[in-house]
Amino acid sequence: SSELTQDPAVSVALGQTVRITCQGDSLRSYYGSWYQQKPGQAPKLLIYGKNDRPSGIPDRFSGSLSGNTASLTITGTQAEDEADYYCNSRDSSGYHLIFGGGTALTVL
Amino acid sequence: QVQLQQWGAGLLKPSETLSLTCAVYGGSFNGYYWSWIRQSPGKGLEWIGEIDHSGSTNYNPSLKSRVTISIDTSKKQFSLKLTSVTAADTAVYYCARGGRGFYGSGSSSIYYYYMDVWGKGTTVTVSS
Repeated sequence: SSELTQDPAVSVALGQTVRITCQGDSLRSYYGSWYQQKPGQAPKLLIYGKNDRPSGIPDRFSGSLSGNTASLTITGTQAEDEADYYCNSRDSSGYHLIFGGGTALTVL
Repeated sequence: QVQLQQWGAGLLKPSETLSLTCAVYGGSFNGYYWSWIRQSPGKGLEWIGEIDHSGSTNYNPSLKSRVTISIDTSKKQFSLKLTSVTAADTAVYYCARGGRGFYGSGSSSIYYYYMDVWGKGTTVTVSS
């Protein structure tokens, strides 16, 4: 399969927990990665593999995978977490990268 | 700390060739995938293709007929060429460093891929 499906928009109250999901058949074969993008900026890697974070990424960001669905969870959401979030994985062939359509997170 | 610096023409006419280059500063070239990704105005991210240090490439099937990614290891640079551009190719183009890891061993290994270093992006507009 060559598609990763994300909800277009999600909202969360300040300080609460939100989960952003990414669904696709290729996630049964490859772990995904998650990126945060703020307006006018390049995407930033948040999560990769089972649940690894690059240096400098706060531990309120976490990832998980169940079946064909990857999830990004933000615990204690901050105002600065308002951004677009993208998942990414190899497709089922293993030769191509694919992105989800992105989820716009609004912090209320 | 690894940084990517990218450059190239920002305004093209239809049918021209888009040409961008990305230079890698502060890190190794080997062991990584070097990718190009684009983002059309108001849209999501689209992977264009990648190259490794040996010159092996993979391309997005939807763009494969028009894309060439090349590498110059001596300069630690990689480049993107996209031919016959149209207005639909108007986008911000990013270069990025990609890595791979795995869990488990042998036939039960599960791989993961990521892009951990990104260029700042180059806005390319195609207009007559």
